[in-house]
Amino acid sequence: NAGVTQTPKFQVLKTGQSMTLQCAQDMNHNSMYWYRQDPGMGLRLIYYSASEGTTDKGEVPNGYNVSRLNKREFSLRLESAAPSQTSVYFCASSDLASGNTIYFGEGSWLTVV
Amino acid sequence: AQRVTQPEKLLSVFKGAPVELKCNYSYSGSPELFWYVQYSRQRLQLLLRHISRESIKGFTADLNKGETSFHLKKPFAQEEDSAMYYCALSQGAQKLVFGQGTRLTINP
Repeated sequence: NAGVTQTPKFQVLKTGQSMTLQCAQDMNHNSMYWYRQDPGMGLRLIYYSASEGTTDKGEVPNGYNVSRLNKREFSLRLESAAPSQTSVYFCASSDLASGNTIYFGEGSWLTVV
Repeated sequence: AQRVTQPEKLLSVFKGAPVELKCNYSYSGSPELFWYVQYSRQRLQLLLRHISRESIKGFTADLNKGETSFHLKKPFAQEEDSAMYYCALSQGAQKLVFGQGTRLTINP
């Protein structure tokens, strides 16, 4: 029972490089999210997708793009990484059928140098 | 604006002592509140939600609309309760706003 899986788990980038964080869920959930977790800041929503084919900005979308490839997959792209994007990134999913409980992936540790 | 505040970044108590993790919120509508927990080397997971009015692992949380609070309580702390705890508010459309988190350490 995989739930929400995200890759890579660890990544080091140089400033200006680009990369994509991949996320997939096997729970047939409609909604998917990307959060970042920073010390003293809690989790902040970057982007979310309420259903396949839709995406919306969250609290901190600048510097990121997302793609809801299909119902299962929701990727997060950093076009030109900056040191301020050093963080732990969490993908999550939820659905009315699951009582709106949000299920999280294990996190991706990203360092931008 | 919707906001969740957890005033304590760190909380340390002895095993067997009562625990209270504070959470205050600001929200113009009818709030739906949650507590999430992250144990060491594990993913963030739901601990409890106010609409369920349940007790999970001995923890309870009561929504106090007058004080706009949703404090998490446990009468007797156990060492396995050591973790990072996040209070969260649902803004609708299944979006959650999280507090800053409280790291709870239970001392033997």
